[in-house]
Amino acid sequence: AQSVTQLGSHVSVSEGALVLLRCNYSSSVPPYLFWYVQYPNQGLQLLLKYTSAATLVKGINGFEAEFKKSETSFHLTKPSAHMSDAAEYFCAVSDTGNTPLVFGKGTRLSVIA
Amino acid sequence: GAVVSQHPSWVICKSGTSVKIECRSLDFQATTMFWYRQFPKQSLMLMATSNEGSKATYEQGVEKDKFLINHASLTLSTLTVTSAHPEDSSFYICSAKNTGLDGYTFGSGTRLTVV
Repeated sequence: AQSVTQLGSHVSVSEGALVLLRCNYSSSVPPYLFWYVQYPNQGLQLLLKYTSAATLVKGINGFEAEFKKSETSFHLTKPSAHMSDAAEYFCAVSDTGNTPLVFGKGTRLSVIA
Repeated sequence: GAVVSQHPSWVICKSGTSVKIECRSLDFQATTMFWYRQFPKQSLMLMATSNEGSKATYEQGVEKDKFLINHASLTLSTLTVTSAHPEDSSFYICSAKNTGLDGYTFGSGTRLTVV
């Protein structure tokens, strides 16, 4: 069964600094990987997804993630943090792209002015 | 893009009553709907998967008689929390499988508080 592990339940960065949110996956087949953002009391918004096309995936709001099979990782990055990036971020995996998503525990990103 | 409308966004009910949550796909046909539950500061846990016109498949530990799921049409799926108790208080989110670029479209969630 597939699973994801997000290292760090809380990450704090200064405004303008690099954002790095870590995600490692476990899957017996080539996975579909997703990053979502959630603001308080709201649903999930897709940032980006990997579906075996390109290993470097660019998403919305300046975020990108790189799929590294050798490291079973799909870390999310953004060169320069903005105050509006403060939110909860979830990494998720699906083995076929049609099965239910399995979510990591989430990482809360705080941005300090 | 694909949109799933979820209602209500929040509800407070008395212990012992039932609450219905609706998810509608507005511009696509949702043959499959996933229902998740999220406790405060925790991740999303899959409760059940429903396919249009058939019975839902529940995850282990989820009481199917308590969490009734109906997916009678390609655009509407409902979750009814029956005889709600305070421990059912949570954030419930639906997600529809779509054939678009996103793959999965999430509703905006329902905050249920049972008093």
